[in-house]
Amino acid sequence: SYVLTQPPSVSVAPGKTARITCGGNNIGSKSVHWYQQKPGQAPVVVIYYDSDRPSGIPERFSGSNSGNTATLTISRVEAGDEADYYCQVWDSSSDHVVFGGGTKLTVL
Amino acid sequence: EVQLVESGGGLVQPGGSLRLSCAASGFSFSRYWMSWVRQAPGKGLEWVANIKQDGSEKYYVDSVKGRFTISRDNAKNSLYLQMNSLRAEDTAVYYCARGTTVVSNFDYWGQGTLVTVSS
Repeated sequence: SYVLTQPPSVSVAPGKTARITCGGNNIGSKSVHWYQQKPGQAPVVVIYYDSDRPSGIPERFSGSNSGNTATLTISRVEAGDEADYYCQVWDSSSDHVVFGGGTKLTVL
Repeated sequence: EVQLVESGGGLVQPGGSLRLSCAASGFSFSRYWMSWVRQAPGKGLEWVANIKQDGSEKYYVDSVKGRFTISRDNAKNSLYLQMNSLRAEDTAVYYCARGTTVVSNFDYWGQGTLVTVSS
């Protein structure tokens, strides 16, 4: 089955740039979606179809996807960005939705 | 306003059954793929199952195949998850989520319902 690999944690100082990676075999050929989840809340999509941003999501959030790695980039990180982030794809080979293991973003 | 409201969670013994419901409102339910996604305490998100707009296609994560059944009633704007032969590892918050297509993101999620499997 298809596996998405994320780093368990990423730490960044306020005002700096955070990059969260999502690794998968030829993930560049798939559409990648990213979710933010804060404690006790349901996930919220922050990037969809690799790089599209829903209305209401700050422009500081961006995404890219190529080769074997998709990346969520958060610029000018704020304390309110502290959360768990998950990548997600649809794997047509197995007809499964697949989530990455999640990355805890800590704002120092 | 789009709303997804799950219900039916609770405490159940191993081997028992439970039926979760998700009531949808604020959108044309029959036009969307729907999914169940779960999250065990302190763990990450795990997709459980999804169902096409007309119910003609259903997919399941391997760990629940043969035990769980996803269904929908478009006339009642409702999504269901029948869970049988429950195991301790099925303990999780279960979310229903909406998707436009099978490859799309989940753009709306419910608040979740907790299922605890324990003796």
